Parts: sequence; structure tokens; C-alpha cells
Amino acid sequence: AQKVTQAQTEISVVEKEDVTLDCVYETRDTTYYLFWYKQPPSGELVFLIRRNSFDEQNEISGRYSWNFQKSTSSFNFTITASQVVDSAVYFCALSEAGGTSYGKLTFGQGTILTVHP
Amino acid sequence: DAGVTQSPTHLIKTRGQQVTLRCSPKSGHDTVSWYQQALGQGPQFIFQYYEEEERQRGNFPDRFSGHQFPNYSSELNVNALLLGDSALYLCASSFTGSAQETQYFGPGTRLLVL
Repeated sequence: AQKVTQAQTEISVVEKEDVTLDCVYETRDTTYYLFWYKQPPSGELVFLIRRNSFDEQNEISGRYSWNFQKSTSSFNFTITASQVVDSAVYFCALSEAGGTSYGKLTFGQGTILTVHP
Repeated sequence: DAGVTQSPTHLIKTRGQQVTLRCSPKSGHDTVSWYQQALGQGPQFIFQYYEEEERQRGNFPDRFSGHQFPNYSSELNVNALLLGDSALYLCASSFTGSAQETQYFGPGTRLLVL
């Protein structure tokens, strides 16, 4: 069975600090997909990134970067120079490629990030 | 290009009643998934519809049912509402191609059962 763990329930930082959100996953599939979504107070889940299990390259997009390590089953998310607008709940999610789990996203519990001015 | 839309935005029902939530997918998408998000929790997968049929289902009772129409829009129906059904219901759309595609979410419907 697939499982996603976000051990950090809440993180509070001051603007311009760097912050890393941790995500650890479990799956028996050799092909799977990992995602990060942002949920602002409005409630809509905003897609941030998707990673395939066969692509371990780290990615950087502006102030955001992601570190995917299959050896430790982790997919961590770093925000550099955080801003107040980054305040939201962040979810890590996993989807397996095959069988009965195809198309199903399994989410972690989420990490509440608060960035203070 | 319109994103995923859902209606209504908010809903208040009483125990035992039935509710229907609606979702229109993003343009070009043919697959709709529904999720339930209780307060303070991550979304939980209810089911997914493709080609007007339920393709995958999560651990939800038969009180939860759905439908997909030829224009790819979808409905989620919940019968015999319980207090525990109070949650944010999220619809996500995607395109079923050769590889599993990213799901894009709508703004959700907040359901309160009294």
C-alpha cells in the first residue's frame, strides 16, 4: 500500500528565511509519481511540481527547489528567501503507475507554513 | 482557458439528507477524480471517472456515488448524510494519455452536515 508521511505539522519562519518541507513515501511500485501541492486559505489545491520515479534530477523553479532521493524515499521541498505569500498548507502526494492504484493520489497530512513579516 | 470549476461553493444539509456536487473539468481533460478533505487532514481519494465509468474507488461506502457525463463533467452524490461527511469536497481533472497525468484541482465545495 502507498503511504506519504509529512512529519512536520507546522513550521513558522520569518520572512527571507529558507525553509525545507520534508516528505517521505512508501510504495511497492517501481514506477510512481510524486507531487507537491499548495493549499492557500481559499482551499484550492495548487499544483507545484510532479516528479517521475525514474527521474532523480533535482529541480529549481525560482525560489522553489525539490530534492528527490529514491535511496531514502524522500522528496523534500525548499523555499528560499520565504515571503508572506508563501504561507499556506503544503501537501506531498504519491501516485502509483499500475494496477488498482492507477490515478489515485495519496496525500500526506500536510505541513502548515506560516511566514511572518 | 477555464480551470476546474465546482458548484456550489458552500452547502448546509441535515443528517439523513442527500446532496449532489458538480464539477466541470479543465478544457482538454477527460478524467475526473473526487476527494474528501476533513478539517486538518490531507485529501482522501473517493473515486475517479473516465469514459463515463468509475475507474478507481477509494475506501468510501456505497452512500458515495458518482456520474460522468458525455461532456466529461461529473457529479458526486452522497446519500443518508452523516455528521462525519462534513468536509471540503475537491474535484480534480486530468487527461488520460499514455502516461499518468497531473491532476488539477477546483476550488472545492464546503459541505456542512448538521
